[in-house]
Amino acid sequence: DIQMTQSPSTLSASVGDRVTITCRASQSISTWLAWYQQKPGKAPNLLIYKASTLESGVPSRFSGSGSGTEFTLTISSLQPDDFATYYCQQYDSYPLTFGGGTKVEIK
Amino acid sequence: QVQLQESGPGLVKTSQTLSLTCTVSGGSISSGGYYWSWIRQHPGKGLEWIGYIYYSGSSYYNPSLKSRVTMSVDRSKNELSLRLSSVTAADTAVYYCARAESGGWSKYYLDYWGQGTLVTVSS
Repeated sequence: DIQMTQSPSTLSASVGDRVTITCRASQSISTWLAWYQQKPGKAPNLLIYKASTLESGVPSRFSGSGSGTEFTLTISSLQPDDFATYYCQQYDSYPLTFGGGTKVEIK
Repeated sequence: QVQLQESGPGLVKTSQTLSLTCTVSGGSISSGGYYWSWIRQHPGKGLEWIGYIYYSGSSYYNPSLKSRVTMSVDRSKNELSLRLSSVTAADTAVYYCARAESGGWSKYYLDYWGQGTLVTVSS
């Protein structure tokens, strides 16, 4: 299985901050990577697929980059609605696997 | 817009079979181009992919659960189903169904999710 490692596991930030979350794959996955946002008691919501393609309706302050084994999710200016947990997920090979999550908290 | 809704017992006894249904609206399972997936999330933990199935019945399961998992589709009802046998407390989780969209080259990401249903396994 491909292991997905996210860092940090928790991040404290303020509204307006630029936030970067890192995701590393245990082997190359090209750009077959998705990012999801999950709020408490809710299902994950797709933000980005193919490492950098923004899903329709997702605010442009979210962006993704990377290829191979190193990926980042950036929120350019953190908004109150963005405090949540973020997961990366590889879909290059089976089984599909997720990172452990990064919780973005209010500083 | 596609919507998915999970349903099934919230409590299952140890060693029995967990059975869940996911009803899809706003789109047809039979239209092709998508896989239909099950994912679970243990309380306070991360996400685990269980597997997915095409409308034709072609499926892929997580090897860690493969011996206990059966997925099926009912095209007439626009539903997919999950059966997980011989459950233990370790199978207590929120279970989600989701649509898997093709990103090209037979690579599928999860674009629409149901709200999830909590299943507790207890004796």
